[in-house]
Amino acid sequence: DAKTTQPPSMDCAEGRAANLPCNHSTISGNEYVYWYRQIHSQGPQYIIHGLKNNETNEMASLIITEDRKSSTLILPHATLRDTAVYYCIVSGGPTNDYKLSFGAGTTVTVRA
Amino acid sequence: NAGVTQTPKFRVLKTGQSMTLLCAQDMNHEYMYWYRQDPGMGLRLIHYSVGEGTTAKGEVPDGYNVSRLKKQNFLLGLESAAPSQTSVYFCASSYISGRLNEQFFGPGTRLTVL
Repeated sequence: DAKTTQPPSMDCAEGRAANLPCNHSTISGNEYVYWYRQIHSQGPQYIIHGLKNNETNEMASLIITEDRKSSTLILPHATLRDTAVYYCIVSGGPTNDYKLSFGAGTTVTVRA
Repeated sequence: NAGVTQTPKFRVLKTGQSMTLLCAQDMNHEYMYWYRQDPGMGLRLIHYSVGEGTTAKGEVPDGYNVSRLKKQNFLLGLESAAPSQTSVYFCASSYISGRLNEQFFGPGTRLTVL
């Protein structure tokens, strides 16, 4: 699976949009981009995934560049409960038994 | 619907002792995974299973064994615990549809090996 690069930490003001970048320049054509988050001491939680089109669900939006070498997770209106570690993961799906490789992630702190 | 549950939640072992961690899911998922998470680090895959009766090695399998005798249960065993195995252990099961792999995680087991 392709490796990902994320900033180690970022702050965000409550009520503002949080834009989390991820670089995955070695992504291959059949690999998806996943985002998970881990709130303190809990198990990770799925947020969203995509291949090449932008995706949106009730939690967030995922913007993938046209060359697919980077993506941005957008939390439209950050709340204090969004404080967590956010993981950007590239996965080959069935070609590698749907395994996910969690890196160090980005620690997002939402401030009042 | 309990989701993914893990037993026990906390455990302290002495070096050389053995123990089994139990993971149970009630979502009828085929895929199950065991991860460990050390302080300040991401999760690392220990072993996983793609269905009842099957297991496979992940990134850090040494010192661990697993069994998947029933679809809903995935057991992680430590035969002879070492201080390096002090960690938080997470189990997960996957809902898979097409290319979507949504993993559901348990609350974790905090293990200390003295």
